[in-house]
Amino acid sequence: AQSVSQHNHHVILSEAASLELGCNYSYGGTVNLFWYVQYPGQHLQLLLKYFSGDPLVKGIKGFEAEFIKSKFSFNLRKPSVQWSDTAEYFCAVNAKGGANNLFFGTGTRLTVIP
Amino acid sequence: DAGVTQSPTHLIKTRGQQVTLRCSPKSGHDTVSWYQQALGQGPQFIFQYYEEEERQRGNFPDRFSGHQFPNYSSELNVNALLLGDSALYLCASSLPDSYEQYFGPGTRLTVT
Repeated sequence: AQSVSQHNHHVILSEAASLELGCNYSYGGTVNLFWYVQYPGQHLQLLLKYFSGDPLVKGIKGFEAEFIKSKFSFNLRKPSVQWSDTAEYFCAVNAKGGANNLFFGTGTRLTVIP
Repeated sequence: DAGVTQSPTHLIKTRGQQVTLRCSPKSGHDTVSWYQQALGQGPQFIFQYYEEEERQRGNFPDRFSGHQFPNYSSELNVNALLLGDSALYLCASSLPDSYEQYFGPGTRLTVT
């Protein structure tokens, strides 16, 4: 069975600090990987995705993530956070060649202090 | 181009009652998935509909059922509501054979 672990439950940073949120997954086959963001009062939005190719993917708003296959990881990074990045961040996976339903981690709440 | 829409926004029901939630997919999308997001948790997959049939189902009891209409819109029905069914219910749609899903704003269900 697929599972996704996000070990950071709540992260508090000052503006301009660098961000790295961890994500590890467990699955026996090949997966697609996603990071979604949920701003306060808004719906889930896709930040970035990895299907294949270059393991370093860039998304919207200056976010990037690196797929490390040997570590089953897909960590999210941003060099300098802004107050507007305050949100809940979810890592998710689905299986290549199968139905596209997503398996989500429990999320990481990011609070950026001005 | 309207995104995924859901109705109602909020709903309060009593334990034992039944509820129906509605979803209209993004234009051009034919696959609709439903997720339950409990407070402080990530979304959990309930089921997925394609061509008016349930294609995939997560680990949810039969009290959770659904339907997809010819225009691709969908309903989620929950019978015999329990307090534990209180959650945000999310609908997501996708293009044919696409791995990427687009989410609606959700319906907040409170069971008292």
